[in-house]
Amino acid sequence: EVQLVESGGGLVQPGGSLRLSCAASGFTFAGYWMRWVRQAPGKGLEWVLRINNDGSSTAYADSVKGRFTISRDNAKNTLYLQMNSLRVEDTAVYYCAREFNGYFDSWGQGTLVTVSS
Amino acid sequence: EIVMTQSPAILSASPGDRVTLSCRASQSVSSSLAWYQQKPGQAPRLLIYGASTRATGIPARFSGSGSGTEFTLTISSLQSEDYAVYYCQQYIEGPKTFGQGTKVEIK
Repeated sequence: EVQLVESGGGLVQPGGSLRLSCAASGFTFAGYWMRWVRQAPGKGLEWVLRINNDGSSTAYADSVKGRFTISRDNAKNTLYLQMNSLRVEDTAVYYCAREFNGYFDSWGQGTLVTVSS
Repeated sequence: EIVMTQSPAILSASPGDRVTLSCRASQSVSSSLAWYQQKPGQAPRLLIYGASTRATGIPARFSGSGSGTEFTLTISSLQSEDYAVYYCQQYIEGPKTFGQGTKVEIK
């Protein structure tokens, strides 16, 4: 069974940093592109970062470019999201998702990041 | 960036009803269209990909149709567990943009 389990969320002040992790199991992690998708409270879905299967290629939404970094450790079956210079508008549930042929076929349960003073 | 527009924003329906949700793309996405279901407090779940192919384990009452710029998700007989928010997403190019969602609520 495919499992994606996020961790690392919490309350952080504006300008602060946070690192999220997504532990993958039940599939060959190194064979898949992965995404971080976020959802602000009461809002829709927004993909924010993408990484290819070996970590050599990444893509970022304009809203997080220069502040967020996606990475992965295929030996540990783990996806990461380093968030710096956090803003109030980054408050959201952050989901990791597995990408297959362009769509997202498996999702984690999400971790809440709250940016507030 | 391809803009996805869903309608209606809210759909009120009774159990057993046949419901149809719409999704329109700002330019052709061919059949590169997925639908997701999200219940309160839960992660999204893939329902449909390729505009019309049900994902593993999705009941047959869910069906998708369309191509190009116009798509529909139909629930043939609404069940209590189907009350949720539904999102469409294009994945043909660039940012894999989502629609804003349609909430299916109890009438």
